[in-house]
Amino acid sequence: DAGVIQSPRHEVTEMGQEVTLRCKPISGHNSLFWYRQTMMRGLELLIYFNNNVPIDDSGMPEDRFSAKMPNASFSTLKIQPSEPRDSAVYFCASSFVAGIDYEQYFGPGTRLTVT
Amino acid sequence: KNEVEQSPQNLTAQEGEFITINCSYSVGISALHWLQQHPGGGIVSLFMLSSGKKKHGRLIATINIQEKHSSLHITASHPRDSAVYICAVRRAGSNYQLIWGAGTKLIIKP
Repeated sequence: DAGVIQSPRHEVTEMGQEVTLRCKPISGHNSLFWYRQTMMRGLELLIYFNNNVPIDDSGMPEDRFSAKMPNASFSTLKIQPSEPRDSAVYFCASSFVAGIDYEQYFGPGTRLTVT
Repeated sequence: KNEVEQSPQNLTAQEGEFITINCSYSVGISALHWLQQHPGGGIVSLFMLSSGKKKHGRLIATINIQEKHSSLHITASHPRDSAVYICAVRRAGSNYQLIWGAGTKLIIKP
């Protein structure tokens, strides 16, 4: 398997622009996580999907952020409008959650810079 | 006080040394994860523990549930082990929520 695939790997955009990050989870996994990593706050869970349904979006910073998972093989995280404080590395992870024992497999991340 | 504390924050050692990174937590957990993040940024899961000890190559992870403490050991360390090592715990009663430590930055000098 190719692992979790994220695109783009790097994104530089100007404040106010819309940004869309993409994730393809590992085939057969039923759960998908979007994380944000910054120097100040470390890794933060933004949203968790199980069987394509958003279960916990309490980590989404504000209405400018939205995430979708239209099917089991694709998810997007959108920021509109983007702000400089959104600059971070965004990771997507997937897993097969059944009971309590599971591991998360991380994608390579998207480094977002908003100027 | 953070619910997951790692020590040390930074560690520099010579190649070949035995390395220990510690993780203490203050909440009830169902599992503890150790992950590795290389300078390139990718995050790799090393271990998932709910009790006892696990070994993979030169890496050993232990957990003491009563003391709420886990250690990650690296034997015969090598410069390629240089990375940030992150401890994360899964809160008891949740099948997905992880509480993350701040990470330990390890540098192994040749």
